[in-house]
Amino acid sequence: SQTIHQWPATLVQPVGSPLSLECTVEGTSNPNLYWYRQAAGRGLQLLFYSVGIGQISSEVPQNLSASRPQDRQFILSSKKLLLSDSGFYLCAWSPMGGEPNYGYTFGSGTRLTVV
Amino acid sequence: AQSVTQLGSHVSVSEGALVLLRCNYSSSVPPYLFWYVQYPNQGLQLLLKYTSAATLVKGINDFEAEFKKSETSFHLTKPSAHMSDAAEYFCALQTGANNLFFGTGTRLTVIP
Repeated sequence: SQTIHQWPATLVQPVGSPLSLECTVEGTSNPNLYWYRQAAGRGLQLLFYSVGIGQISSEVPQNLSASRPQDRQFILSSKKLLLSDSGFYLCAWSPMGGEPNYGYTFGSGTRLTVV
Repeated sequence: AQSVTQLGSHVSVSEGALVLLRCNYSSSVPPYLFWYVQYPNQGLQLLLKYTSAATLVKGINDFEAEFKKSETSFHLTKPSAHMSDAAEYFCALQTGANNLFFGTGTRLTVIP
């Protein structure tokens, strides 16, 4: 069966420090991968998605970047964190070329607090 | 254009009472619709999904939703609320492999 792992679960970082959040998927090949952010009191915002290694689409211009160095690995990064980067970050996957009736499967999330 | 509207950002019900969370959608193509639940500091878990096979969809934990094309709605219901149902619920619409649109969520509070 397919599983998605996301870490760390919580992170407290000072303003101006770098960020690296990692997400990996097991049990499937060539997944579509997604990074979402959920800010306090706000809905889910799609940040990036990837349909293959090295292929990244950015949905919202911001202080963050994403990379996909391996088929089932998706990394969210920042060179210098801002206070506004605080939030709950969720990784998700869906089958490549799958029907749009599949939905996405989400990881357990990372709570990032920038201080 | 595709969109999802969840009516009521907060809903409170008494334990044992009916749960009704409202979702309306707009889509130019046949929609696939989902309800997800999120418990505090956790990821989203799929409750149920509509994929055009049947208009009344049953999900986990006795939740169900009915697709009504004429009303462009996909409301979520549960006959009897339990304390463990307290969470945030998201309605979502998918129109393509990378096009999943979420509503803004409804926080359900269950009063003992």
